[in-house]
Amino acid sequence: DVKVTQSSRYLVKRTGEKVFLECVQDMDHENMFWYRQDPGLGLRLIYFSYDVKMKEKGDIPEGYSVSREKKERFSLILESASTNQTSMYLCASSSPGQGNTEAFFGQGTRLTVV
Amino acid sequence: AQTVTQSQPEMSVQEAETVTLSCTYDTSESDYYLFWYKQPPSRQMILVIRQEAYKQQNATENRFSVNFQKAAKSFSLKISDSQLGDAAMYFCAYRSPNSNSGYALNFGKGTSLLVTP
Repeated sequence: DVKVTQSSRYLVKRTGEKVFLECVQDMDHENMFWYRQDPGLGLRLIYFSYDVKMKEKGDIPEGYSVSREKKERFSLILESASTNQTSMYLCASSSPGQGNTEAFFGQGTRLTVV
Repeated sequence: AQTVTQSQPEMSVQEAETVTLSCTYDTSESDYYLFWYKQPPSRQMILVIRQEAYKQQNATENRFSVNFQKAAKSFSLKISDSQLGDAAMYFCAYRSPNSNSGYALNFGKGTSLLVTP
């Protein structure tokens, strides 16, 4: 059974803290993604990576950074958490293959910044 | 970037009935890929159905089918014989064949489907 695993389902952090959201996939996928999900806004792409140590900005990268030191792991970093970063964060992975390949998602991390 | 529009924030259907969720998109590309994903209360995103733009035949997966109108840039999802387990948020998504995007999915804002007994 293929899996994308996010380290936490729920997190509560204080304003100004450095926050790490971890994502691991066991499918040997090259491509990994971080999305942010907010009610009424759908899913918005924060960052993606198509190879180890490679990263590209998505549509809303401000306030975030990422790290991909190993193929199976893609971390999202909030350098200094702010209340407007309270949201649901979804990690996904896919193989490059043909464009119709399925993207697999983790179960999401609901982050609250207080 | 391509825009994906889901004009129905909420829909309701009775069990065993049929419902259609709308999706339109804006693109200048001639070749691309379209998807419908389902997100139940568990939050796990699940692929429902996919369509390649170069295929004229509409995709079908059991009770789920699409009406793909390329010229109109429309990609609606039809759910037949609705079941209580179909209640979820449904997202329409576009994927460009251009690798510059990392083959990321570009999502609409979602439609919340309620299924009543």
